[in-house]
Amino acid sequence: GAGVSQSPSNKVTEKGKDVELRCDPISGHTALYWYRQSLGQGLEFLIYFQGNSAPDKSGLPSDRFSAERTGGSVSTLTIQRTQQEDSAVYLCASSLVVWGLKDEQYFGPGTRLTVT
Amino acid sequence: DAKTTQPTSMDCAEGRAANLPCNHSTISGNEYVYWYRQIHSQGPQYIIHGLKNNETNEMASLIITEDRKSSTLILPHATLRDTAVYYCIGGYALNFGKGTSLLVTP
Repeated sequence: GAGVSQSPSNKVTEKGKDVELRCDPISGHTALYWYRQSLGQGLEFLIYFQGNSAPDKSGLPSDRFSAERTGGSVSTLTIQRTQQEDSAVYLCASSLVVWGLKDEQYFGPGTRLTVT
Repeated sequence: DAKTTQPTSMDCAEGRAANLPCNHSTISGNEYVYWYRQIHSQGPQYIIHGLKNNETNEMASLIITEDRKSSTLILPHATLRDTAVYYCIGGYALNFGKGTSLLVTP
């Protein structure tokens, strides 16, 4: 079946602009995760959703970052007033359950964001 | 969350076994150990997970010590395509850290 998809694959934006990144999880997966990977760095957890709720927003780096999920499916990560340090690959993943015994995550290809 | 420690990088000759260690001394009794890998420019890919017993699948084997404070991911016959960053994650942790960069050489 279809895997996790993300759009756009690449986004170049000017400093100060807002951007929206989209994630379509695998159908039926209740959990959805957002990560960020800067050049040469590991995967940094941002936020996860169980259904439409986000129990843990502690990973969001600032109040310029927000995310929502509707209908238990598609999620949007919004970055307001982008800064150059926001440049990174933003990865989305989904899994069947959040804290389930066998909840391996399936990752999308990522969105490469460049802030100029 | 269980904190994990992995070597920054490792080399392995093609065709030989690659043994990637991970320390997770703070893992609790009901927390699984998960391994993922990330090939350059792709999203991470799930490899294997385990709780107490050793596990094997078509990709790798996972050996977990009896005290569960460490584990080793084994790629029995490494190929050039196994060159990637390998992440060990303990339990409910969601930060993948920097993992181990494995280079398989001809």
